Amino acid sequence: NAGVTQTPKFRVLKTGQSMTLLCAQDMNHEYMYWYRQDPGMGLRLIHYSVGEGTTAKGEVPDGYNVSRLKKQNFLLGLESAAPSQTSVYFCASSPAPRTEAFFGQGTRLTVV
Amino acid sequence: AQSVTQLDSQVPVFEEAPVELRCNYSSSVSVYLFWYVQYPNQGLQLLLKYLSGSTLVKGINGFEAEFNKSQTSFHLRKPSVHISDTAEYFCAVSDKRDDKIIFGKGTRLHILP
Repeated sequence: NAGVTQTPKFRVLKTGQSMTLLCAQDMNHEYMYWYRQDPGMGLRLIHYSVGEGTTAKGEVPDGYNVSRLKKQNFLLGLESAAPSQTSVYFCASSPAPRTEAFFGQGTRLTVV
Repeated sequence: AQSVTQLDSQVPVFEEAPVELRCNYSSSVSVYLFWYVQYPNQGLQLLLKYLSGSTLVKGINGFEAEFNKSQTSFHLRKPSVHISDTAEYFCAVSDKRDDKIIFGKGTRLHILP
């Protein structure tokens, strides 16, 4: 039972580098979310998607882009990484709005 | 926009004592409320949820929460905690205006022996 899988689990980037975080879910969920978790800040919504081909901004979208070309995948991109983007990133999916979200194990990203 | 306030960043409690973790929300329309738990170095998992109906909601691991519309609160309780309850607890809200799930800043539960 894979559920929600995030790739990679750890990554160190240099300032200005780019990277893509991959989230894959095998539950046929329509809704997918990207959050970042920082100490004392809880989880903050970056972007989300309500279905294949759709994306929408969350609370802290600046510096990130997303794509949902396939229903099962939700990609989070950092075009030019900054130290302020050092965080733990969580992907989640849910079958419908306002229902239980299922989370991945997280990606720990450090930007130096 | 909807928002969530968790009033305590850390709560220490002795093993086998009761605990209450507080959560208040802000929304002008009907809300849907959730409590999630995060064990060290893991993702989040759902403890319980309020969608409609009975205001007292029971969840996994002996936790329960009560939805209070007049006080805009959704406090989490457990009558007797165990060392295995050591974790961070997040309250979350969603409402009918959009499809976002907004989380609070979390409450870290410390169980004292």
